[in-house]
Amino acid sequence: QVQLVESGGNVVPPGGSLRLSCVVSRFTLGIHGMHWVRQAPGKGLEWVASLRYDGTTENYSDSVKGRFTVSRDTSKDTLYLEMNSLRPEDTALYFCATGASRSDFWTSFSHWGQGTLLIVSS
Amino acid sequence: DIQMTQSPSSLSASVGDRVTITCRASQGITNSLGWFQQMPGKAPKRLIYGASSLESGAPSRFSGSGSGTEFTLTINNLQPEDFATYYCLQHHRYPPTFGQGTKVEIK
Repeated sequence: QVQLVESGGNVVPPGGSLRLSCVVSRFTLGIHGMHWVRQAPGKGLEWVASLRYDGTTENYSDSVKGRFTVSRDTSKDTLYLEMNSLRPEDTALYFCATGASRSDFWTSFSHWGQGTLLIVSS
Repeated sequence: DIQMTQSPSSLSASVGDRVTITCRASQGITNSLGWFQQMPGKAPKRLIYGASSLESGAPSRFSGSGSGTEFTLTINNLQPEDFATYYCLQHHRYPPTFGQGTKVEIK
């Protein structure tokens, strides 16, 4: 069974930086895209960023563009989300989710990790 | 951006009821729509993909329909474990967008 495990969440002051990780297993990161989705306390789901299956294209929500960077290390089966200039409104549970491959569109959002919590507060 | 308008935002139902949740897209998204169930504090779990395909392992009482701009999730014979929040998601075009969610509560 595909497994995604996020880590790296923490309490960070406004303006600070943090990197989240998502380790995948029984899933080939090198041929699949990936997504980051977040959920603020008591709120709905918000897509944050995506990396295309070939690693060539990144997409970001307007709320994080220019501050967050998504990347991957296929040798470590790990997806990252580098977050800079953090704001209180970035406080949320961050999930990674599987993306599409070149040949399978429907793996997009098929599997999710359990989430890692970021709190931005002084 | 494509807006997903989900309704109702909440509903009360009894075990054994049939429940219907609707999502409307602000523009056509073919069948690039999924339905997700989320328990408090847990990750979303996909129930339906491609608007009407049941996820492997998901109970058959869940079904999805629609194409274009109007989509429906139906839960037949509501079970105690179905009381949760449900979200639709379009991934036809970036950015992917979620509906606001529907909380299904026990009457």
